[in-house]
Amino acid sequence: EVQLLESGGGLVQRGGSLRLSCAASGFTFSSYALSWVRQAPVKGLEWVSAISSSGGNTYYADSVRGRFTISRDNSRNTLYLQMNSLRAEDTALYYCAKVVDGSDPAFDIWGQGTMVTVSS
Amino acid sequence: SYELTQPLSVSVALGQTARIPCGGNNIGSKNVHWYQQQPGQAPVLVIYRDTSRPSGIPERFSGSNSGNTATLTISRAQAGDEADYYCQVWDSSTRWVFGGGTKLTVL
Repeated sequence: EVQLLESGGGLVQRGGSLRLSCAASGFTFSSYALSWVRQAPVKGLEWVSAISSSGGNTYYADSVRGRFTISRDNSRNTLYLQMNSLRAEDTALYYCAKVVDGSDPAFDIWGQGTMVTVSS
Repeated sequence: SYELTQPLSVSVALGQTARIPCGGNNIGSKNVHWYQQQPGQAPVLVIYRDTSRPSGIPERFSGSNSGNTATLTISRAQAGDEADYYCQVWDSSTRWVFGGGTKLTVL
């Protein structure tokens, strides 16, 4: 069964740091791009960051560029998101998602999410 | 940056057809994907590239895309279809763009 399992969320003070992890199973991890998508409480979905299958290319939303760093370890089938200089507006449920190959990519597999709460 | 517009809510009578629009500038030139999010659950891809259904998605779900509007259509609506629905496109500058989401209520 294809599965993504996030961890690492929690309560952190404004300005603090947190590292999220996403463990994958059931597919050839190193063959697919992966992404983080977040959802603030009672809000819609917001794309955060993505990384190519090899890890050589990374992409960020303007709202997190310079503060968040995406990475992956293909030997451990794990995706990461290092979050620094956290703000109240970063409070959200963070999902990792597998990217469908193609010129207009979608997300075909999602984890259940890990909650990040930034206190002021 | 590219933007997608969805109505906050759509209602449909049980067994009838629901249509959820997603507006964007010349969206017909892009591939549109649709996600269903049940309360307390992760999103699920229900339509990709305008009209294709992933395996396991009922044929009642279909999509179309033309001009400035893409539409998710749910035929013979069931109580279990009550959920939030999001459209999404890829934009070369903004990357992945989501619509604001539409809450579907089945009456």
